[in-house]
Amino acid sequence: EPEVTQTPSHQVTQMGQEVILRCVPISNHLYFYWYRQILGQKVEFLVSFYNNEISEKSEIFDDQFSVERPDGSNFTLKIRSTKLEDSAMYFCASRSDPPNQPQHFGDGTRLSIL
Amino acid sequence: KQEVTQIPAALSVPEGENLVLNCSFTDSAIYNLQWFRQDPGKGLTSLLLIQSSQREQTSGRLNASLDKSSGRSTLYIAASQPGDSATYLCAVQGGSEKLVFGKGMKLTVNP
Repeated sequence: EPEVTQTPSHQVTQMGQEVILRCVPISNHLYFYWYRQILGQKVEFLVSFYNNEISEKSEIFDDQFSVERPDGSNFTLKIRSTKLEDSAMYFCASRSDPPNQPQHFGDGTRLSIL
Repeated sequence: KQEVTQIPAALSVPEGENLVLNCSFTDSAIYNLQWFRQDPGKGLTSLLLIQSSQREQTSGRLNASLDKSSGRSTLYIAASQPGDSATYLCAVQGGSEKLVFGKGMKLTVNP
């Protein structure tokens, strides 16, 4: 069965550094998402992306965050200047049309900021 | 603002029991509701999706029901097995793309 794949599985970065998290959504999917889960807390929505632009973002997704689909297969989340509170599991998800299709999640990238 | 609650936070049962997992949400204006399974250190596996117009969905030993007007969903697991041990999350989608998640319920099925 097709899967959403995320790399790396674990990223350790110094505070203030830039980090790029990578995702390969399921190939025929058109809608892409990033969520995060801080340890012990709920999964939280960050951003949705469709037709090469952000369709929705949460208040968490401030100017230090950006997303990009640099080619036909990858979808990336960049955090420009990481903070300690950015430490979390970051999940990528995708779905196909029509709107009643489920979102499929990757295994996540555990981001640790030191 | 939509809030999703799952109670209890954890449940430990002997193998073979039939289980009911609860999910409640504050805003009944939802588009759909999804149940997920999360294994330790892993991502979220979609189990069932119920459209707002549907009352229930079934997949194997799993059955999910939705009562939109009362803001509730239940996930029924028949004849539980140790392999069902995981955290189960409920998430609702309202008028936008985002899913709003509950905190999950950690299920342990003992052999």
